[in-house]
Amino acid sequence: AQSVSQHNHHVILSEAASLELGCNYSYGGTVNLFWYVQYPGQHLQLLLKYFSGDPLVKGIKGFEAEFIKSKFSFNLRKPSVQWSDTAEYFCAVASNTGKLIFGQGTTLQVKP
Amino acid sequence: GAGVSQSPSNKVTEKGKDVELRCDPISGHTALYWYRQSLGQGLEFLIYFQGNSAPDKSGLPSDRFSAERTGGSVSTLTIQRTQQEDSAVYLCASSLGKAGGQETQYFGPGTRLLVL
Repeated sequence: AQSVSQHNHHVILSEAASLELGCNYSYGGTVNLFWYVQYPGQHLQLLLKYFSGDPLVKGIKGFEAEFIKSKFSFNLRKPSVQWSDTAEYFCAVASNTGKLIFGQGTTLQVKP
Repeated sequence: GAGVSQSPSNKVTEKGKDVELRCDPISGHTALYWYRQSLGQGLEFLIYFQGNSAPDKSGLPSDRFSAERTGGSVSTLTIQRTQQEDSAVYLCASSLGKAGGQETQYFGPGTRLLVL
C-alpha cells in the first residue's frame, strides 16, 4: 500500500538552528515527491518537488530536500531557520493521476 | 490571478442534515481534487476530477459522500446525513491536468465543517 511517514510530529527550534525533517515513503510506481507547507492562517502551498534528475532539489525560502532512493527517503532541510518558518510541513507522494498521499505532518515552532 | 476559492468557509450543521461544499478552481485547470484534513486522520484524498469525469473516487469514505463537477469548472462535494465523524476541514485543490503526478496542486482555504 502507498504510504508516507513523517517521523517528527512536533519540532521546536531556536532561530538560526538547522532543520531536518524526515520523510519516508512506500510506493510501487514512479515516484513524484512533494513538500507542502501551511503557515498559520494560510493555504497549503508548495515548498518543493522532485520527480527526476538531480536528487537534491531546492525550493522556496532556502529549503532543500534530498531524494535517496535506496532509503526511500525525501528529507527536508534548511541550514538556518527563521521565526517566519513556523508552520506545519507535509511530505507527500503523488500517483500518476496526481492524487497526493500525505504524511501526518510536522509542526515546526521556531522561537525568536 | 485568482486562486482556488471555497465556500462556505465555515459550516455548522446538525447530525443527519445534508451539506454542500463548493470549490471554484483556478481558471483553466482541468484537474480538481478534494481532500479532508482532520485531527485523527491527517490529510486524506477523497476524489479526483479530470474535466467533468471522476476517474478516481477511491477516497470517498462512504456512499453518503458524493461529488460532481460541471462545465469543467466548479465542483460540489455533498455529504448526506452528516455524522459527527465528518467534522473536518475539506480542502479543494486544482492543477493544470497535463502532467499528472508531476504537477503542483494549488489549494483553497478550505471549508471547516462541524457536525453537532
